[in-house]
Amino acid sequence: GAGVSQSPSNKVTEKGKDVELRCDPISGHTALYWYRQSLGQGLEFLIYFQGNSAPDKSGLPSDRFSAERTGGSVSTLTIQRTQQEDSAVYLCASSSLGPSGEQYFGPGTRLTVT
Amino acid sequence: AQSVTQLGSHVSVSEGALVLLRCNYSSSVPPYLFWYVQYPNQGLQLLLKYTSAATLVKGINGFEAEFKKSETSFHLTKPSAHMSDAAEYFCAVSARSSYKLIFGSGTRLLVRP
Repeated sequence: GAGVSQSPSNKVTEKGKDVELRCDPISGHTALYWYRQSLGQGLEFLIYFQGNSAPDKSGLPSDRFSAERTGGSVSTLTIQRTQQEDSAVYLCASSSLGPSGEQYFGPGTRLTVT
Repeated sequence: AQSVTQLGSHVSVSEGALVLLRCNYSSSVPPYLFWYVQYPNQGLQLLLKYTSAATLVKGINGFEAEFKKSETSFHLTKPSAHMSDAAEYFCAVSARSSYKLIFGSGTRLLVRP
């Protein structure tokens, strides 16, 4: 079946602009995660959605970052007033089990802020 | 707080040689442990996981890892490296009460012909 998809695959934006990154999880997966992968910081957890529960936003680096998940499926990560340090690969993952379950990752969106 | 340490940002082995990638974790309670592999320009793929069943865990592509509580380690091994194993490998931990993965800094495996 189809895996996790993300769009766009690459995004170049100017400093100060807003960007939206999209994630389509595997159908039926109730949990959705966003991670960021950068040279300086490695792989970092950003936010987690589980069903209708309030999301775990503990990893968001600043209030410029927000995410929503509509209808328990598609998720959008929004970065406002982008900064150069936001340049990274943003990875989305989904899973159907609890903490012991495999998280299935998408190919990521490479964001470059110029 | 949980953390993961991967010793060696780069490991180079000859094709056919043993692969050993080291991972040590810090956790106040027994965690779940994972190894993921990332090929260039791709997302992460699960190799194997430890969830408190057998301490020796077998994964895909001939990899295995052993959970050693006394050493707080979860090293990844493969008896014989193949050229296709060249990739970046990440060890990760999650608490039993948490869903987020805490990743190590990764180890890039190079396989020499």
